Amino acid sequence: QVQLQESGPGLVKPSETLSLTCTVSGYSISSGYYWGWIRQPPGKGLEWIGSIYHSGSTYYNPSLKSRVTISVDTSKNQFSLKLSSVTAADTAVYYCARVNWRSNWFDPWGQGTLVTVSS
Amino acid sequence: QSALTQPPSASGSPGQSVTISCTGTSSDVGGYNYVSWYQQHPGKAPKLMIYEVSKRPSGVPDRFSGSKSGNTASLTVSGLQAEDEADYYCCSYAGSNNLRVFGGGTKLTVL
Repeated sequence: QVQLQESGPGLVKPSETLSLTCTVSGYSISSGYYWGWIRQPPGKGLEWIGSIYHSGSTYYNPSLKSRVTISVDTSKNQFSLKLSSVTAADTAVYYCARVNWRSNWFDPWGQGTLVTVSS
Repeated sequence: QSALTQPPSASGSPGQSVTISCTGTSSDVGGYNYVSWYQQHPGKAPKLMIYEVSKRPSGVPDRFSGSKSGNTASLTVSGLQAEDEADYYCCSYAGSNNLRVFGGGTKLTVL
């Protein structure tokens, strides 16, 4: 059974960099699939942030591309998100998920982690 | 890339059927059969309900079905049950640059 778990600071100061890690269990990242990050501001809808393959190939949402870096560590079976120059608008629950890139589905999802941007 | 358009709310009584729409453009929903749907209960992570417009993952009740016509995809929930009350989101492949775009979400209320 594939499981994903997000981890990282729950509070980030404005202008700093948000860093989160997703740890995958029950499946080897190197075996295939893309792996992605999605966020959801409080009371709002879902927004795709970006996705990565185990080879390191990445795709980003153009609206965030200048501030986003997604990386993968196959030795730890983890992938990570860095979002720079954050503002209050980046406050959201951040989810990681396994992605079937060709068929465009996200499953399963991690439980999500709330990141608040505030001084 | 703009979010796909969903009605903010939908409702139905137990046993009835409800259809939720997801409208995009020929560059996303209308151009490809790669629309997926997610169910999200309050405080929980989204759950995949439909992929490739009309396919159901193992374990999803056949009360849930998907379809597409032109630039609009639809999710139909038949035989409504109390546990179907949740937020529903569509997601489409958006072509160039391999983008993915979500809908704004629809809150389904079971009366």
